[in-house]
Amino acid sequence: GDSVTQMEGPVTLSEEAFLTINCTYTATGYPSLFWYVQYPGEGLQLLLKATKADDKGSNKGFEATYRKETTSFHLEKGSVQVSDSAVYFCALSGGGSEKLVFGKGTKLTVNP
Amino acid sequence: DTGVSQDPRHKITKRGQNVTFRCDPISEHNRLYWYRQTLGQGPEFLTYFQNEAQLEKSRLLSNRFSAERPKGSFSTLEIQRTEQGDSAMYLCASSPDRGKGYEQYFGPGTRLTVT
Repeated sequence: GDSVTQMEGPVTLSEEAFLTINCTYTATGYPSLFWYVQYPGEGLQLLLKATKADDKGSNKGFEATYRKETTSFHLEKGSVQVSDSAVYFCALSGGGSEKLVFGKGTKLTVNP
Repeated sequence: DTGVSQDPRHKITKRGQNVTFRCDPISEHNRLYWYRQTLGQGPEFLTYFQNEAQLEKSRLLSNRFSAERPKGSFSTLEIQRTEQGDSAMYLCASSPDRGKGYEQYFGPGTRLTVT
């Protein structure tokens, strides 16, 4: 079945450092790809998405490009802030139900 | 738009008891999903409704679990004869039926602890 593998955490960075969280997927067909974020004490919310190959999703300074040839959707940010501390989940959807298949999550801590 | 709400937020129950959770999706959303999340893991799909029809169920959803969405609005998830392994966060999400790649909006979850 479909699956998502993402970089295991936790990841600890200093403010203004560069962030990459790797995500690769296995899927039949052409899934849509997502990054969801869970801030401390809050629910899951969409960070960005891409629905077809070579699309780039972006939001709040974060970017990810849908790479079909490498089945990847790596999350990047050029300069992280303390407020970016959260758990990040890579996910895919497809099929008639559009159900989400999530990775295990990567906890990011940004220190001042 | 008040977002997806779930009730209760926390539930502690003894093994063997039945529990029921409620989800109220965003009003115009006709797709509703239930997921389960255990500590250190990503959410896992349980079941999906399109309006009142339950169209897909995961193998994770044993026969002790049942979900309904009687009028195509709110949904309930019942767990009968709870086991300690049922302890998890139960998440509800909804989305409009607008085709591929549409965002799912998540509720805050119901945290179940089975003692």
